[in-house]
Amino acid sequence: LAKTTQPISMDSYEGQEVNITCSHNNIATNDYITWYQQFPSQGPRFIIQGYKTKVTNEVASLFIPADRKSSTLSLPRVSLSDTAVYYCLVGPEYNNNDMRFGAGTRLTVKP
Amino acid sequence: GAVVSQHPSWVICKSGTSVKIECRSLDFQATTMFWYRQFPKQSLMLMATSNEGSKATYEQGVEKDKFLINHASLTLSTLTVTSAHPEDSSFYICSAPPAGGTDTQYFGPGTRLTVL
Repeated sequence: LAKTTQPISMDSYEGQEVNITCSHNNIATNDYITWYQQFPSQGPRFIIQGYKTKVTNEVASLFIPADRKSSTLSLPRVSLSDTAVYYCLVGPEYNNNDMRFGAGTRLTVKP
Repeated sequence: GAVVSQHPSWVICKSGTSVKIECRSLDFQATTMFWYRQFPKQSLMLMATSNEGSKATYEQGVEKDKFLINHASLTLSTLTVTSAHPEDSSFYICSAPPAGGTDTQYFGPGTRLTVL
């Protein structure tokens, strides 16, 4: 599976838009990009998955440039409850195989 | 969405005892389940892949005789930490992809193990 690189931590304030970028230079042609959110003492929760261009759901947007060597998770108008660790993973669609987590990005939303 | 449960949610045990953690897929079948371990402030580390009806496959460095995995049915996998020691204290998380491969993996809520 392609290795991913994310910032270790980010700070934001309530109401702001947060963009977390993930680098995956060795992404394979059939790889998808998936983001998970994890709160303390809980299992990860699926946020969004995409292959190219832009994907949007009720929670977030995912921007993927043409070369697919990076991707950006965009969280609109964050609240305190969005404080969590966000993981970017790259692998086959739906990733029904073992998933290898990187270090993730610890997002702290301040009032 | 699909739900994966774990039991217990937390457990405290004495050093040398064994602890069993259950992972259940509540509304779907899973021929494969995965077990992860997460230490404080660290990422999830894959321990093993649990396969229904066959032996589990373990990641390098994970002792198969210490972490016994049994996937007895399409909805239940168990992880038994045998002869637990304080260094086994961690957060154990399971995940399961619904059979058929048409949905993302679902993670359990985790089990906090504390070995005294």
